[in-house]
Amino acid sequence: DIQMTQSPSSLSASVGDRVTITCRASQGIRNDLGWYQQKPGKAPKRLIYAASNLQSGVPSRFSGSGSGTEFTLTISSLQPEDFATYYCLQPNTYPFTFGPGTKVDIK
Amino acid sequence: QVQLQESGPGLVKPSQTLSLTCTVSGGSISMGGYYWSWIRQHPGKGLEWIGYIYYSGSTYYNPSLKSRVTISVDTSKNQFSLKLRSVTDADTAVYYCARYDVGAEGNDGFDIWGQGTMVTVSS
Repeated sequence: DIQMTQSPSSLSASVGDRVTITCRASQGIRNDLGWYQQKPGKAPKRLIYAASNLQSGVPSRFSGSGSGTEFTLTISSLQPEDFATYYCLQPNTYPFTFGPGTKVDIK
Repeated sequence: QVQLQESGPGLVKPSQTLSLTCTVSGGSISMGGYYWSWIRQHPGKGLEWIGYIYYSGSTYYNPSLKSRVTISVDTSKNQFSLKLRSVTDADTAVYYCARYDVGAEGNDGFDIWGQGTMVTVSS
């Protein structure tokens, strides 16, 4: 299985901060990487697909980049509604695997 | 727009079979370009892909669960289902159904999710 790691596992930030989350794959996955946001008690929501494509309806402060084994999710200016847990997903190779998550909370 | 809704028992006894159904509304399960998926999340933990099915019946399962899992589709009812046999307390989790978007190059991930349903394995 392809192992996905995320760093940091958690972070504290303030409204307006620029936040960057990194996801690494144990082997190359081209640009087959998605980012998901999950709030407590809710289903995950897709933010980014194919590493850098913004899901329709998702604010432009979210962006993704990377290819191969290293990827980043950037929130350019953190808003109150962005406090959540973020997961990466590799749909390149079976079985599809998620990262362990990065929890973003209020400083 | 397409919506997914899980249904099924919230409590299953050990060694029995967990059965869940996902009803698709706002679109046809037979539309091409999408696989219909099950994903679970253990309490306070991360996400685990269980498997998915195409409307034609083709399936792919996570090898970690393959020996116990069956995913099926009923296009006449616009539903797909999950059966997980011989459950233990390790199968206690929130179960999500989700639509997998094949996309232009085949790998765009899960674009629509159900709200999730909690299943507890306990006697």
